[in-house]
Amino acid sequence: AQSVTQPDIHITVSEGASLELRCNYSYGATPYLFWYVQSPGQGLQLLLKYFSGDTLVQGIKGFEAEFKRSQSSFNLRKPSVHWSDAAEYFCAVGARGATNKLIFGTGTLLAVQP
Amino acid sequence: GAVVSQHPSRVICKSGTSVKIECRSLDFQATTMFWYRQFPKKSLMLMATSNEGSKATYEQGVEKDKFLINHASLTLSTLTVTSAHPEDSSFYICSARERASRVTEAFFGQGTRLTVV
Repeated sequence: AQSVTQPDIHITVSEGASLELRCNYSYGATPYLFWYVQSPGQGLQLLLKYFSGDTLVQGIKGFEAEFKRSQSSFNLRKPSVHWSDAAEYFCAVGARGATNKLIFGTGTLLAVQP
Repeated sequence: GAVVSQHPSRVICKSGTSVKIECRSLDFQATTMFWYRQFPKKSLMLMATSNEGSKATYEQGVEKDKFLINHASLTLSTLTVTSAHPEDSSFYICSARERASRVTEAFFGQGTRLTVV
């Protein structure tokens, strides 16, 4: 069964600083990998996804993530954080199969200070 | 892009009553819809997977008689919380997978905040 670990529960960065949110997964084969962002009381917005091919994927809002098979990781990065990036970020893994259900990590709450 | 609409966004109900939450795919056909529950400051817990025209598949520990799921059409799935109690208060989110998609990409509704008093 697949699982996702986000080691950092809460991260605070200064506006303009770079950001990296960690995500490690467990899955028997090459998974589908996703990063979602959630603002308070809202649903989830897809930032980016990895299915196959280039291991460095670009997403919306200036985010990118790199799939590293050897480390079972899919870390999210942004070179310069904006105050509007403050939100909860979820990494998710999807199984390649009939159900294609997503399993989510516990999330990382990002705070951005001026 | 694909849009999933969830209704209502907020609902308050009395203990013992039932509440229905709708999840609609507005511009695509969704053969599969997923229902998640999110506790405060917690991740999303998958409750069940529903496929159009068939019975939902519930995750371990989720009471199927408590959380009734119907997926009668390619654009609508409903979650009914029966005989709701305060411990059922939570944020419920649905997602829908496009019929034509060969890979996993689910689009999420905006969520429903259920408060049982």
